[in-house]
Amino acid sequence: RKEVEQDPGPFNVPEGATVAFNCTYSNSASQSFFWYRQDCRKEPKLLMSVYSSGNEDGRFTAQLNRASQYISLLIRDSKLSDSATYLCVVNRPGGGADGLTFGKGTHLIIQP
Amino acid sequence: DAEITQSPRHKITETGRQVTLACHQTWNHNNMFWYRQDLGHGLRLIHYSYGVQDTNKGEVSDGYSVSRSNTEDLPLTLESAASSQTSVYFCASSPNGGSYNEQFFGPGTRLTVL
Repeated sequence: RKEVEQDPGPFNVPEGATVAFNCTYSNSASQSFFWYRQDCRKEPKLLMSVYSSGNEDGRFTAQLNRASQYISLLIRDSKLSDSATYLCVVNRPGGGADGLTFGKGTHLIIQP
Repeated sequence: DAEITQSPRHKITETGRQVTLACHQTWNHNNMFWYRQDLGHGLRLIHYSYGVQDTNKGEVSDGYSVSRSNTEDLPLTLESAASSQTSVYFCASSPNGGSYNEQFFGPGTRLTVL
């Protein structure tokens, strides 16, 4: 299994719909999980951290399933501005400050 | 406001030339990183630094070097540019605390090697 694996998409979703992506990770000892958003030709920006209990930020909900080693991102009431690539990021235990592994991203297109 | 900047934003160079990409952050973060991003590969770590005078190789360090003479700057040097180094380069920084902390990214440098 690759360290961090995501479906590249693209996911084409009508405006207002709910969309969810998953990401799987290989190291069961990983402790930190993040979702980053990257717009075309721009830098990645943190969308949200993912906590064991799950967390919500407005229309965005992140969940962690340690048993199955995946994290998920749910976007409700999607907006045109949500169109972007979403990167799943997982830490490598013992990797120190450098120990973040980035997935290749899931491309989301919100259609009017 | 604190920030992280990169320069130049775009660069075209020729094979064999030495190129230096600048990265400057004003957050006073100890940890700084250089990544390259290519289609089909995602972000790959080139070099990183935990503090002044500290540098470490990442997964794709061949042909690149860095130096850390102060907290704010981590310049990336391509010793002899190759066409395979055509890419988008991102610099990032994070505070102390290991890999539990998010990384903040600069706007990127688009490098073309002809």
